[in-house]
Amino acid sequence: NAGVTQTPKFRVLKTGQSMTLLCAQDMNHEYMYWYRQDPGMGLRLIHYSVGEGTTAKGEVPDGYNVSRLKKQNFLLGLESAAPSQTSVYFCASSWAEASTDTQYFGPGTRLTVL
Amino acid sequence: LAKTTQPISMDSYEGQEVNITCSHNNIATNDYITWYQQFPSQGPRFIIQGYKTKVTNEVASLFIPADRKSSTLSLPRVSLSDTAVYYCLVVAGFQKLVFGTGTRLLVSP
Repeated sequence: NAGVTQTPKFRVLKTGQSMTLLCAQDMNHEYMYWYRQDPGMGLRLIHYSVGEGTTAKGEVPDGYNVSRLKKQNFLLGLESAAPSQTSVYFCASSWAEASTDTQYFGPGTRLTVL
Repeated sequence: LAKTTQPISMDSYEGQEVNITCSHNNIATNDYITWYQQFPSQGPRFIIQGYKTKVTNEVASLFIPADRKSSTLSLPRVSLSDTAVYYCLVVAGFQKLVFGTGTRLLVSP
C-alpha cells in the first residue's frame, strides 16, 4: 500500500497562473481532506469530501476549488494563484469522520507563488 | 469551537518521560481529543486518541481528567527520533478541524 500520495512535490507558479494538485489514496477511505500549512503554523482545512462526488468547504476555502470524481482521488485547484497561496499543502484521508478516526496524511506539496 | 492551547516548545533528554499538556476549556460533549506528530517536511502522523480517562498504545499514553478541559500526552523514555512538533486536536464537525500551532519537542543526547 502506498497510502496517501500527492503530485507534484514542488511547484513554482507566477501570480495568475492556475494549477491542480492531485491526491490519491489506496486505502478505500471515504473521507478526504485538503489542508494548507504556513510557516510556523498548524494546518488549516481548505476543503473536504465525505464520499465520491461530494465536496464541502472547510475553514479557508477562498481561492480554491476541489473535485472528487473518483473515490480514490481528490483534486485541489487554484484558478488564479496569488502570493498568499504560497504554502505547503497536505492531503489526508480517513475511514470515518476525522473527529473519531485517524487521518492519514500525504507527504505534502510545497507551492510557491511569485 | 474548542480552542486548544499548548506550550510552544519543550526540551528533554533521551530516556526521560515527556508530558505535553493541552488545554481545551470549551470542549463539547461530542468532541474527541486526538494527538498528531509531525516531522519536518512530512505530513502529520496519528499518535493517539481518547474521549475520557486514560488511553495507552504502543507509543504513548493519553490522560484526560473527568472535566475533559485538558489532556496530557505522555511519551515514555523519549529518544532523539521523538524530536518533532506535537499537535493536540479537539474536533467535532468538519469546519472545526483546526490544528493549533503545536508544541515543538527537542530531545537532546
